[in-house]
Amino acid sequence: DTAVSQTPKYLVTQMGNDKSIKCEQNLGHDTMYWYKQDSKKFLKIMFSYNNKELIINETVPNRFSPKSPDKAHLNLHINSLELGDSAVYFCASSPSGRGVGYTFGSGTRLTVV
Amino acid sequence: DAKTTQPPSMDCAEGRAANLPCNHSTISGNEYVYWYRQIHSQGPQYIIHGLKNNETNEMASLIITEDRKSSTLILPHATLRDTAVYYCIVSAPSSYSGAGSYQLTFGKGTKLSVIP
Repeated sequence: DTAVSQTPKYLVTQMGNDKSIKCEQNLGHDTMYWYKQDSKKFLKIMFSYNNKELIINETVPNRFSPKSPDKAHLNLHINSLELGDSAVYFCASSPSGRGVGYTFGSGTRLTVV
Repeated sequence: DAKTTQPPSMDCAEGRAANLPCNHSTISGNEYVYWYRQIHSQGPQYIIHGLKNNETNEMASLIITEDRKSSTLILPHATLRDTAVYYCIVSAPSSYSGAGSYQLTFGKGTKLSVIP
């Protein structure tokens, strides 16, 4: 069973569209995250979230919004997609505040054309 | 910004030990050292972490200097499947269970190539 699963694995869409990426974890973790890995391979955190608090990286445009229907899911909605949004997006989860490892999903490669 | 410095790349012969260094001279007393790796096109994978003492698990060993300003990740018998980018990260677990309890900030990492 996949611990952190993301769908879709690949997403190709036109500029200006709105899209969502789904993430689910079956580890019982309290905190979930979204990371963006650009073409230069830098991994940057976008959001961290649990049922108490959403932390947003200040550099993330407000076109990006996380939505958590429940503790096991953290979806990423992107409005008005731009060419620069093309990247690989990784979801991750961790037990809160215990200093142990994150578990990452396998990534969603988003291509905006 | 990442608080660690790693060499951009390293080679290691298959079957030999791979020793990956990391400098974290500004590490705080409550910050842990984490190691992750990212194999091509996959999500990052947790390897090991430590605070002061050396740590070992089924994947690797972590050696932290007494002053905690540097550490070394050791893969005892490198295989071709260990070829990946290895990230050394320092971060502190929060005293509360808030969302920002500890966020991993990835640097550029070390690209390890295991050579047959």
